[in-house]
Amino acid sequence: NAGVTQTPKFQVLKTGQSMTLQCAQDMNHEYMSWYRQDPGMGLRLIHYSVGAGITDQGEVPNGYNVSRSTTEDFPLRLLSAAPSQTSVYFCASSSLPGTGGFKAGELFFGEGSRLTVL
Amino acid sequence: AQSVAQPEDQVNVAEGNPLTVKCTYSVSGNPYLFWYVQYPNRGLQFLLKYITGDNLVKGSYGFEAEFNKSQTSFHLKKPSALVSDSALYFCAVRAYYGNNRLAFGKGNQVVVIP
Repeated sequence: NAGVTQTPKFQVLKTGQSMTLQCAQDMNHEYMSWYRQDPGMGLRLIHYSVGAGITDQGEVPNGYNVSRSTTEDFPLRLLSAAPSQTSVYFCASSSLPGTGGFKAGELFFGEGSRLTVL
Repeated sequence: AQSVAQPEDQVNVAEGNPLTVKCTYSVSGNPYLFWYVQYPNRGLQFLLKYITGDNLVKGSYGFEAEFNKSQTSFHLKKPSALVSDSALYFCAVRAYYGNNRLAFGKGNQVVVIP
C-alpha cells in the first residue's frame, strides 16, 4: 500500500525557474493538501482540495498554483521560484470529516520534498 | 479561522518520567483534534485524534491526550517517556463542519534524556 507518494525528494532551482512537485495517493481520499515546513513556523497550508476540480487557498498561497484533475493527483507548481520558497514541502490526504469511517479526517503524509532555491 | 498554539519550543524530560506536551486551540464550532509526530527527515505520522466521546483519548506508542472544552486544550501525555520518543510533535485542529482546513501548531521538540 503506497499511501501518499511525493516526487522529487530533493530539488535545487535557480531564482526564476519553474517546477512542479508531484503528489499521488491511492486511498481514494477526497481531501488533498500541500504544506510547507520551515524552522520555527510549523506547517503552513499552501493550497487544498476537497475533490476533483475543486481547489482553494490556504495560509500562504502566493507563488504557487495547484490543480486537481483526478482524485489521485494533486501537483503543486512553482511559477517563478524565489529564495523565500526554500523549504520542505509535504503533501497530505484524508477522507473528509463525516465520511471514511474510523479514519475520517486523519491526514496521511508523504515523505516530503526538500526544495532549495538559489 | 482555526488555529493552534503550542507554547513551548522544546520539552526536556528524563527517561522514565511523565511527558506532557501542551496544546490550545481555537475553532468555530466543535473541533477535530489531532496529534502527529515527526522523526528526522520523515513525514508526519498520526498519533491520536479526538472527535467526540470520552475526553481522554488513547493512541499509538502509549500516548494519550485529554480534551478540555472549557480550556480549549488538548495536551499530549505519556506516563513514562522513552529515549525513542525524542521527536517533533505537532498538534492540529480542523472544524467538524466547515472549510476542512487542518491548522497545525509550530511544533514542540521533545528531548528525552537517558
